[in-house]
Amino acid sequence: DTGVSQDPRHKITKRGQNVTFRCDPISEHNRLYWYRQTLGQGPEFLTYFQNEAQLEKSRLLSDRFSAERPKGSFSTLEIQRTEQGDSAMYLCASSGLTGGTQYFGPGTRLTVL
Amino acid sequence: KNQVEQSPQSLIILEGKNCTLQCNYTVSPFSNLRWYKQDTGRGPVSLTIMTFSENTKSNGRYTATLDADTKQSSLHITASQLSDSASYICVVSPYTSGTYKYIFGTGTRLKVLA
Repeated sequence: DTGVSQDPRHKITKRGQNVTFRCDPISEHNRLYWYRQTLGQGPEFLTYFQNEAQLEKSRLLSDRFSAERPKGSFSTLEIQRTEQGDSAMYLCASSGLTGGTQYFGPGTRLTVL
Repeated sequence: KNQVEQSPQSLIILEGKNCTLQCNYTVSPFSNLRWYKQDTGRGPVSLTIMTFSENTKSNGRYTATLDADTKQSSLHITASQLSDSASYICVVSPYTSGTYKYIFGTGTRLKVLA
């Protein structure tokens, strides 16, 4: 399968713990995006990479959130000191350099107890 | 403010029936509009993409229309199947260099009953 993959698919954690999610984009895609989606809502943009450069961050991305894409391939999204309000589906997507269609991964469902 | 609104919020139809979902947007200037299908617990999957000069685009039983003058789009599903049960999300991209930004609607949740 050469689509976008995310790991883990589900994560349950206690409030205050740190969590890290991984996204592997489609191999030839230069652009990688992170979104957050809560129940009944459309995805909300968090951040975007072109190769290894993080070009934009949403104001939704508080200082407890950090994303990296060190070699321009896979990306990680870390949430420190998780809060119950962080419970959501975290989606990763990738696209080619021309900014075409974004292809989404299956998401990581985070539940903070 | 750039916004994308969808209606209805949810819809229940019987298998074999047709349905039409609506999307109104205020995004300007406008680059393109996409419809995505999202199964429960999965990531969205692209169905159609239309630029401002296109009026209609089909993908199997899915037909999207676009009226750039009134800033409205619709997604028509013909002869619905149980597997069509999902959320359908309208996504609009403003015209910017690189056209990477997506503005998502809140989606229409469709349930097809046997």
